[in-house]
Amino acid sequence: DTGVSQNPRHKITKRGQNVTFRCDPISEHNRLYWYRQTLGQGPEFLTYFQNEAQLEKSRLLSDRFSAERPKGSFSTLEIQRTEQGDSAMYLCASSLAGTGESSYEQYFGPGTRLTVT
Amino acid sequence: GQNIDQPTEMTATEGAIVQINCTYQTSGFNGLFWYQQHAGEAPTFLSYNVLDGLEEKGRFSSFLSRSKGYSYLLLKELQMKDSASYLCAISDPGTGFQKLVFGTGTRLLVSP
Repeated sequence: DTGVSQNPRHKITKRGQNVTFRCDPISEHNRLYWYRQTLGQGPEFLTYFQNEAQLEKSRLLSDRFSAERPKGSFSTLEIQRTEQGDSAMYLCASSLAGTGESSYEQYFGPGTRLTVT
Repeated sequence: GQNIDQPTEMTATEGAIVQINCTYQTSGFNGLFWYQQHAGEAPTFLSYNVLDGLEEKGRFSSFLSRSKGYSYLLLKELQMKDSASYLCAISDPGTGFQKLVFGTGTRLLVSP
């Protein structure tokens, strides 16, 4: 499978615990994005990497959230001291930098569904 | 900021044609995207419009009017598998293509 993969697919945690999600983008893609989606809503942008550099973070991303992409390949998203409001689907997407048609399409992974109890 | 509006839900019959509208307000604009999302699955790219006019891809077409802040997705010869949410998104002008701002999605139910 050469698509975007995310692990785990589901995570149930108790309020106050820390969780970490992993995203493996399409191998030649140098851009990586994290989005959050709640039921009945469209995805909301969280953060964006080009290679290993984190170039933008949404104001939605509080201090409890941190994302890394240490070698410009896979990325992790950590949430510390989880709250019930963090319950959502966390989507990762990747794309190829450039100016042609191939550069604007973002390929999404299946998501990690987080439930905070 | 950006604001995107699309109907919450639509129903249609197998074999029919359906048009899903999207209106947006934004201070700048780089392009408009349509994504399809089946329940519990990842969004998948359908179309991209940056210039005014109609882009056709098989059974799906997307139209854009930048002066009116308006787009639609046209689905022809509807099939049961087209039952899904259809997400309209615009690219944030401050960051080029990198940041997508999505609408809430239109849930389409296709009945036999």
